[in-house]
Amino acid sequence: QTVVTQEPSLSVSPGGTVTLTCGLTSRSVSTTHYPSWYQQTPGQPPRTLIYDTNTRSSGVPDRFSGSILGSKAALTITGAQADDESDYYCVFYMNNGLWLFGGGTKLTVL
Amino acid sequence: QVQLVESGGGVVQPGRSLRLSCAASQFTFSSYAMHWVRQAPDKGLEWVAVIWYDGGKKFYADSVKGRFTISRDNSKNTLYLQMNTLRGDDTAVYFCARGGVWGSYRSPDYWGQGTQVTVSS
Repeated sequence: QTVVTQEPSLSVSPGGTVTLTCGLTSRSVSTTHYPSWYQQTPGQPPRTLIYDTNTRSSGVPDRFSGSILGSKAALTITGAQADDESDYYCVFYMNNGLWLFGGGTKLTVL
Repeated sequence: QVQLVESGGGVVQPGRSLRLSCAASQFTFSSYAMHWVRQAPDKGLEWVAVIWYDGGKKFYADSVKGRFTISRDNSKNTLYLQMNTLRGDDTAVYFCARGGVWGSYRSPDYWGQGTQVTVSS
């Protein structure tokens, strides 16, 4: 049973840079998994930040960027701001008609 | 701006059924795959099901396979989720989300606000 792995929690200083990663227990992540990244605050629906590995969704500032780093998908936040404090989720297409979300990363800005 | 509005949630007893709807507007609904994603209280996002733009392909998470049915009516720009034999662990906020265009595998991009489903006796 493949699992999508994310750091449960991370912290970053205001103005700093942080990289969140998203991996698969069974294989390396590639662009054919169509990785996407979402930001969610309590009581709100997810907000799409990145789709197709590295394409920013409309209105998303360019301090959010997506990539493949080694065997994982990565979301890098450059110049972190207080309102970046949120839960972040990744999702992969699993090449069998199914999608799979990671468990989420709780990002603290302090 | 893409709009997705879910409805049909509520409180239902274990073993009963419920049908969710998602009304879509401001995009060509019939060109896009559509997803259902849920989130249990204080838990992460869980992908539930997807239906291709023409309804020709449907896929389900193992946790709902055989109990839930995804469907769509492109003439009404509406997505559905028929949920049967509901269990306590189906309690969640259910989101509809737009998928890829014309059979692409792009992950969900636009999301609705969600509808709460509570399974309890």
